[in-house]
Amino acid sequence: GAVVSQHPSRVICKSGTSVKIECRSLDFQATTMFWYRQFPKQSLMLMATSNEGSKATYEQGVEKDKFLINHASLTLSTLTVTSAHPEDSSFYICSATGLADYEQYFGPGTRLTVT
Amino acid sequence: AQTVTQSQPEMSVQEAETVTLSCTYDTSENNYYLFWYKQPPSRQMILVIRQEAYKQQNATENRFSVNFQKAAKSFSLKISDSQLGDTAMYFCAFMISGAGGTSYGKLTFGQGTILTVHP
Repeated sequence: GAVVSQHPSRVICKSGTSVKIECRSLDFQATTMFWYRQFPKQSLMLMATSNEGSKATYEQGVEKDKFLINHASLTLSTLTVTSAHPEDSSFYICSATGLADYEQYFGPGTRLTVT
Repeated sequence: AQTVTQSQPEMSVQEAETVTLSCTYDTSENNYYLFWYKQPPSRQMILVIRQEAYKQQNATENRFSVNFQKAAKSFSLKISDSQLGDTAMYFCAFMISGAGGTSYGKLTFGQGTILTVHP
């Protein structure tokens, strides 16, 4: 099946710095990528929808200036957490859509810890 | 807007037994997909089973089967012959079929059910 990778898998950063998370579709071109945030034992919360070559669509309540999303190619989307604070510590998951809308492939996630 | 509700925060089952996880949803759409995803301790999301709303026949994948009741907007997951490796958090999810624009491929997740399989 199709594979989606995320890098890094874990990152620790200091408060006030920025951190970038990459999401790559390894063997297919993804028309749409999604970014989720997940707290322990909770559901996935959709943050934004990312389409190649266009601006991301953010969900209500998600700060677009804080969570910058760039979808530069059909195989790469990046999420940059700017001026990170401890409350941004979370598990971030991306997914990518294949040829059909029901084909959703998830990355392994990135654990962000802000100290 | 669509909503998905999983009313069982936690469930447990003995190895080799059968367990059913509940899911209800609300939508005014007629064409949609329903999914069950598994998230083991590794936190990698794994597709368990998918159901197209237009299909009356319940989907099955080996030990996993669903009971899809479209009129009641219910979509339960039955796990037969439970195995230790089934221990995970399970999410029910909804997607509008063929949605355009920013709704394309968009999943709405339930709250999740933590399933523990005991030896």
